Amino acid sequence: QVQLQESGPGLVKPSETLSLTCTVSGYSITSGYYWGWIRQPPGKGLEWIGSIYHSGSTYYNPALKSRVTISVDTSKNQFSLKLSSVTAADTAVYYCARDNSGYAARWGQGTLVTVSS
Amino acid sequence: EIVLTQSPGTLSLSPGERATLSCRASQIFSSTYLAWYQQKPGQAPRLLIYGASSRAAGLPDRFSGSGSGTDFTLTISRLEPEDFAVYYCQHYGSSPRTFGQGTKVEIK
Repeated sequence: QVQLQESGPGLVKPSETLSLTCTVSGYSITSGYYWGWIRQPPGKGLEWIGSIYHSGSTYYNPALKSRVTISVDTSKNQFSLKLSSVTAADTAVYYCARDNSGYAARWGQGTLVTVSS
Repeated sequence: EIVLTQSPGTLSLSPGERATLSCRASQIFSSTYLAWYQQKPGQAPRLLIYGASSRAAGLPDRFSGSGSGTDFTLTISRLEPEDFAVYYCQHYGSSPRTFGQGTKVEIK
C-alpha cells in the first residue's frame, strides 16, 4: 500500500524559497507513475502545482512555472518541491500525490506552509 | 484554460437521500479526463472517480459518475453519514489541470 508523507518548514518568510519533500513508502517511484504537488489555501479550493517522472520529465502549472522546481531523488524514494519568491498568497496546505496520468490517485496527509515575516 | 463550475455550492440533504452534483466546463473536453474527489474536514482529498465514470478501488457502488462534453455529474444514490463532505471535480486532459470550486454536501 503506497503511502506519501510531506516534510519541510511550516513557516517561510516572504521573498524566500519554500522547500518541501515527499517520502514515498510501499512503492518504488522508479516503477512508474508521475509524482505531483497540489496545494490548497486555507478555506479555498485545490491547485495543481506540477508533477515529475522518475526520469526527470516534468509538468508544471503555467501560472507557477516561473517559480517552481520539482526534483526527484530515486535513491531515497523521494521527490521535492521548491517554490521561489513566495508571498502570503502562497500560504496553503501542500499535498504530495501519486499522479496517475493526470489525476491524483493517492495523497499525502498534507502540510501547512505559512508565509509570514 | 478550462474553467470548471460546480453546482450547487451547498447541498443540504438527509441520510438516505440521493445527491446529484454538477460540474460544468467552459469548453468541451474528452470525458476520459474528468475526476471527482471527496474531502472531509482536516483530511486530504480522496479520489472517487476517474475517466468520468470509473470508480476508484474500493469505492462503494452508491457513488457513480457520468457525463460528457461540458457537463458531468457525480451521483450518490443513498447518502450515508460518512458521505457528508466537500466534493471537487478536476479535468486533466490539457494544461493547466484545473479543479472546480467544490460542492459541500451537508446534513439537512
